[in-house]
Amino acid sequence: GENVEQHPSTLSVQEGDSAVIKCTYSDSASNYFPWYKQELGKGPQLIIDIRSNVGEKKDQRIAVTLNKTAKHFSLHITETQPEDSAVYFCAASHSRGTSYGKLTFGQGTILTVHP
Amino acid sequence: EPEVTQTPSHQVTQMGQEVILRCVPISNHLYFYWYRQILGQKVEFLVSFYNNEISEKSEIFDDQFSVERPDGSNFTLKIRSTKLEDSAMYFCASSEGRERTQYFGPGTRLLVL
Repeated sequence: GENVEQHPSTLSVQEGDSAVIKCTYSDSASNYFPWYKQELGKGPQLIIDIRSNVGEKKDQRIAVTLNKTAKHFSLHITETQPEDSAVYFCAASHSRGTSYGKLTFGQGTILTVHP
Repeated sequence: EPEVTQTPSHQVTQMGQEVILRCVPISNHLYFYWYRQILGQKVEFLVSFYNNEISEKSEIFDDQFSVERPDGSNFTLKIRSTKLEDSAMYFCASSEGRERTQYFGPGTRLLVL
């Protein structure tokens, strides 16, 4: 089955700096890659996603890149703010055959943005 | 904005007891999921549910687990005889379609003593 590895496990940056979180996946059939942000006491909230037919997607300060050949994808946050501090999860899934879109998650990255 | 809700937020139970975790998915969604996260570990898929039946389940989802959509709005996860290792945060999620975004609820923290 699919295995998703996420690095780093913790990331500490100064406000205004950029943050990059990287994930690799194992199943070449995976075609959907969401990123979730989890704040304390809340469930994961989708922040951006990308499908395998594009290589990059951007939404204001957040961007995701996908390299299908290398089976890795990355989250880029620019001009970080203290409210970006949270746990970030990458995930991968596919909906082919008998799969109904189950998400396989990475281990999570604790991002701390210092004012 | 519509959201997935879950009750209770916390549940403490004795080993061997049955627990039912409840979820109200977003109203026009058709696909429903349960995930769990043991403290310090990855979020893990348990089961997906579509058209009133289980569509996919993981190895974790053994005979002690069951899911139900009893009344067209609630989606429940039952653990028949809880074990210490069932202690985890349980998340419900729903989506409009098989290849659509999954929206997660806030979770139920289950502690088995």
